[in-house]
Amino acid sequence: DTAVSQTPKYLVTQMGNDKSIKCEQNLGHDTMYWYKQDSKKFLKIMFSYNNKELIINETVPNRFSPKSPDKAHLNLHINSLELGDSAVYFCASSQGVQGAYNEQYFGPGTRLTVT
Amino acid sequence: GENVEQHPSTLSVQEGDSAVIKCTYSDSASNYFPWYKQELGKRPQLIIDIRSNVGEKKDQRIAVTLNKTAKHFSLHITETQPEDSAVYFCAAGRGSYIPTFGRGTSLIVHP
Repeated sequence: DTAVSQTPKYLVTQMGNDKSIKCEQNLGHDTMYWYKQDSKKFLKIMFSYNNKELIINETVPNRFSPKSPDKAHLNLHINSLELGDSAVYFCASSQGVQGAYNEQYFGPGTRLTVT
Repeated sequence: GENVEQHPSTLSVQEGDSAVIKCTYSDSASNYFPWYKQELGKRPQLIIDIRSNVGEKKDQRIAVTLNKTAKHFSLHITETQPEDSAVYFCAAGRGSYIPTFGRGTSLIVHP
């Protein structure tokens, strides 16, 4: 069984469009994350979210917004896509035990290309 | 906030040699230090981690050391093999704060 899954795996779209990436985890974890990995392989944290708290990296443009319909899902919505948004986006989850930081399980990634 | 520096950015070794990757962190309250391996085109996966109550941890050919006083930790890989070639990321975290990753080290093991 896939622990953390993302859809789609590839996403090609034009500038100005709005798109969403879906993420689901079946590990029963309390916390989910979104990361952006650019061409230099840098893993930039975008959001950290559990059922009580959303932590936003202040450098993330407000065109990006996480939406969590339930504990097992954290979707990423991106409005008005720009060329610089092209990257691989990883979803991840971890077990939050009394706020402790534990191993993160990553999804397979979504390669977003904005033309 | 936390700042994690990772060196070197690229490391090239011959098969059988040892490889060492070093990271420093700025927040003395950080208490969890994982290392992730990302093979080409794959997702990052945890290979080893250490918490601040221990100074060293070993798992077969890989080991991690932690110096809390100096605020640095290192990944050691012995008897490197071509399948060790990947990008390695260190990270530092605590509580519910957003974890901070290093910029990654590309390890190349030549047969």
